Amino acid sequence: EAQVTQNPRYLITVTGKKLTVTCSQNMNHEYMSWYRQDPGLGLRQIYYSMNVEVTDKGDVPEGYKVSRKEKRNFPLILESPSPNQTSLYFCASSLAWSSTEAFFGQGTRLTVV
Amino acid sequence: GQNIDQPTEMTATEGAIVQINCTYQTSGFNGLFWYQQHAGEAPTFLSYNVLDGLEEKGRFSSFLSRSKGYSYLLLKELQMKDSASYLCAVREDDKIIFGKGTRLHILP
Repeated sequence: EAQVTQNPRYLITVTGKKLTVTCSQNMNHEYMSWYRQDPGLGLRQIYYSMNVEVTDKGDVPEGYKVSRKEKRNFPLILESPSPNQTSLYFCASSLAWSSTEAFFGQGTRLTVV
Repeated sequence: GQNIDQPTEMTATEGAIVQINCTYQTSGFNGLFWYQQHAGEAPTFLSYNVLDGLEEKGRFSSFLSRSKGYSYLLLKELQMKDSASYLCAVREDDKIIFGKGTRLHILP
């Protein structure tokens, strides 16, 4: 089944403890991106990747890192999480940056205390 | 700068028609998307417009006017399952920018 898989689905962590949220897609998509969704603010793009080894900042990249060493995986890294990074995170992929449709993972609800 | 506006909430009746508007101001416009998002779930793709005009897909249609920076999503024959948030998004160069979403309530 074609899908985008994020792990974990839920995570509670403490300030400053490094964490990684994984994202994997099995559709051979080139374009992948990370979003955070907060009440009243909508979806905001954190980072995106147009292909392997190519990553770019979105609108809200501060406090996050990403890597794209393989086509299928696009992990989101929080080196030193802070409470203002408490949010619902979505990974998405599409065939190419110009594609008409993106597929979203099921989301990761992160709480930083 | 980039700015996408859509109403925060709308209410409509089962069986009726509703139009959700979206206006945008961006540079490097490369297409406009509509997504549906049920509470607690991931967004799912509804439509894409890159040229002016109307795209119809079953009960849902989407319209784009690039000169006016305006789009709308039209939902016909509303069903209770259409209760959801509807997200307007614009591709600006190779970034995707989302509006804050419109929460649609359907009354029986």
